[in-house]
Amino acid sequence: GEDVEQSLFLSVREGDSSVINCTYTDSSSTYLYWYKQEPGAGLQLLTYIFSNMDMKQDQRLTVLLNKKDKHLSLRIADTQTGDSAIYFCAERGGGYNKLIFGAGTRLAVHP
Amino acid sequence: EPEVTQTPSHQVTQMGQEVILRCVPISNHLYFYWYRQILGQKVEFLVSFYNNEISEKSEIFDDQFSVERPDGSNFTLKIRSTKLEDSAMYFCASRDTGPGAFFGQGTRLTVV
Repeated sequence: GEDVEQSLFLSVREGDSSVINCTYTDSSSTYLYWYKQEPGAGLQLLTYIFSNMDMKQDQRLTVLLNKKDKHLSLRIADTQTGDSAIYFCAERGGGYNKLIFGAGTRLAVHP
Repeated sequence: EPEVTQTPSHQVTQMGQEVILRCVPISNHLYFYWYRQILGQKVEFLVSFYNNEISEKSEIFDDQFSVERPDGSNFTLKIRSTKLEDSAMYFCASRDTGPGAFFGQGTRLTVV
């Protein structure tokens, strides 16, 4: 079945770049997403990428997609303490509405 | 900015009781969803709703669950006879014809 895997924890120094990685199994994925969850809050849509693209940039965020390897990454440039949160990778399969989420990567930003 | 609104933010209920979780999706959105997140686990899809009917549901969404869009603005999830294992954060989401689904803040359901 469909599955999405992420590493569980990432620690970076303030000002450095963060790279959060994700792998997925569904080769018919149409869109891939990154959501951010701050403590006690809901899931905030950060960005998404269509499966026929290999890169998308939005201010400090860069999404890279390697469709051959089914690998998605989110790079956050100049990471700030306000970026500390859990980041969820999700994919939407072809012909389906639902999102399949990874377990989330907890990003800790330290001075 | 428009947002998905969920009420209540926290609900405590006794095992066997019925609960209704409420959501107001973003106006003019067409697709509606419920997801849940058991503490420490993945966010899991429960059900999607389009054109006044369920379009897809997961294995979790059994006969104890139901959804309804009683009017033009609300979208509800009913759990008929709650079990301890139903304790989770329940998220409502909606989207228009675009790819991005927007989530509410969630309702934390605690079954005691």
